[in-house]
Amino acid sequence: EAGVAQSPRYKIIEKRQSVAFWCNPISGHATLYWYQQILGQGPKLLIQFQNNGVVDDSQLPKDRFSAERLKGVDSTLKIQPAKLEDSAVYLCASSSPQGTIYGYTFGSGTRLTVV
Amino acid sequence: GQQVMQIPQYQHVQEGEDFTTYCNSSTTLSNIQWYKQRPGGHPVFLIQLVKSGEVKKQKRLTFQFGEAKKNSSLHITATQTTDVGTYFCSGTSGSRLTFGEGTQLTVNP
Repeated sequence: EAGVAQSPRYKIIEKRQSVAFWCNPISGHATLYWYQQILGQGPKLLIQFQNNGVVDDSQLPKDRFSAERLKGVDSTLKIQPAKLEDSAVYLCASSSPQGTIYGYTFGSGTRLTVV
Repeated sequence: GQQVMQIPQYQHVQEGEDFTTYCNSSTTLSNIQWYKQRPGGHPVFLIQLVKSGEVKKQKRLTFQFGEAKKNSSLHITATQTTDVGTYFCSGTSGSRLTFGEGTQLTVNP
């Protein structure tokens, strides 16, 4: 099966600019996650969707981050305006309807550098 | 909030030596998952443990889930250069999967 697709692979922006990341999960995976991974740290959950509804966005900095999953398939994560501390890899993951027995499948991520 | 801690942060071994990483949670977990992330790559799922005291093996890798479901370990027997990477444990409490900070393993040939 095809994996989780993410784009772009890399992005360099200046602080205060905006940026958007796109994710297409594995077909049939109802649950989609966005994680932020700062260099040398473990992934940190930003938001979790079940179909097109938000399950958990308690760790999403809502003053600057937003995410949507229209139609319950692909998803977009936006940062506006970006700060230097947003430099990280943004990982999208999805999990199967059977729950997490097979774990989460991660995409290759988008490496964001804010200068 | 839930915290998942891993030790050690780094481990350097000679090829053929054993390696163990430990994971501890501040709360009781419904399950624990282990992932491997190669340098420059993304986390790849290794295994999930659900039952108290559960032990699972994958070739040279042995995973354990503690009796109280608050700790876990991953043991690699006779490391190989292909084992290089960062190993993350992640625990589920409620609906959220929280990752530890990982143990970075380097293997000298």
